[in-house]
Amino acid sequence: EAQVTQNPRYLITVTGKKLTVTCSQNMNHEYMSWYRQDPGLGLRQIYYSMNVEVTDKGDVPEGYKVSRKEKRNFPLILESPSPNQTSLYFCASSLYLGGSTDTQYFGPGTRLTVL
Amino acid sequence: TQLLEQSPQFLSIQEGENLTVYCNSSSVFSSLQWYRQEPGEGPVLLVTVVTGGEVKKLKRLTFQFGDARKDSSLHITAAQPGDTGLYLCAGSTSGTYKYIFGTGTRLKVLA
Repeated sequence: EAQVTQNPRYLITVTGKKLTVTCSQNMNHEYMSWYRQDPGLGLRQIYYSMNVEVTDKGDVPEGYKVSRKEKRNFPLILESPSPNQTSLYFCASSLYLGGSTDTQYFGPGTRLTVL
Repeated sequence: TQLLEQSPQFLSIQEGENLTVYCNSSSVFSSLQWYRQEPGEGPVLLVTVVTGGEVKKLKRLTFQFGDARKDSSLHITAAQPGDTGLYLCAGSTSGTYKYIFGTGTRLKVLA
């Protein structure tokens, strides 16, 4: 089944404890992206990647890191999480480069709480 | 910073009524997409519009892209409870690989 998977689905952590949220797609997509969703703010793009080893900042990259060492994986790293990073996070992928008419396929989301 | 404003934010209507959701910006977009999101799930693409003035229909849903490609609307005819969800518009500008999402419209259709 074609899908985007994220792990974990739920995470409660404490301020300053490094964490990684994994994202994997099995559709051989080139474009992958991370978003956070907060009430009243919609989805905001954190980072995106056009291909292996090619990443760029979205609108809210502060406090996050990403890597794209393999085409299928795009982990999101929070080196020192803070309470303002409590949010619902989505990973997405699309076949070709984003920014045109491609369909983005979203993962099921990761709900992160930072105490 | 580019913004996409959606209105209304919340909408509660009776089954069978019609409704329109708006997505507005001061920026020009090369394409605009509409998604629907159900609780506990990621957004799912409904449609993409790319040409100013373009109208697309998906069963009871009609999507329109403004002539200047700065705004879009989603019209639902004879809404049904299955239409309940969060509707999001998302725009992309030419030459970038970024997506800007709207603030969302939460629709509830009562049986």
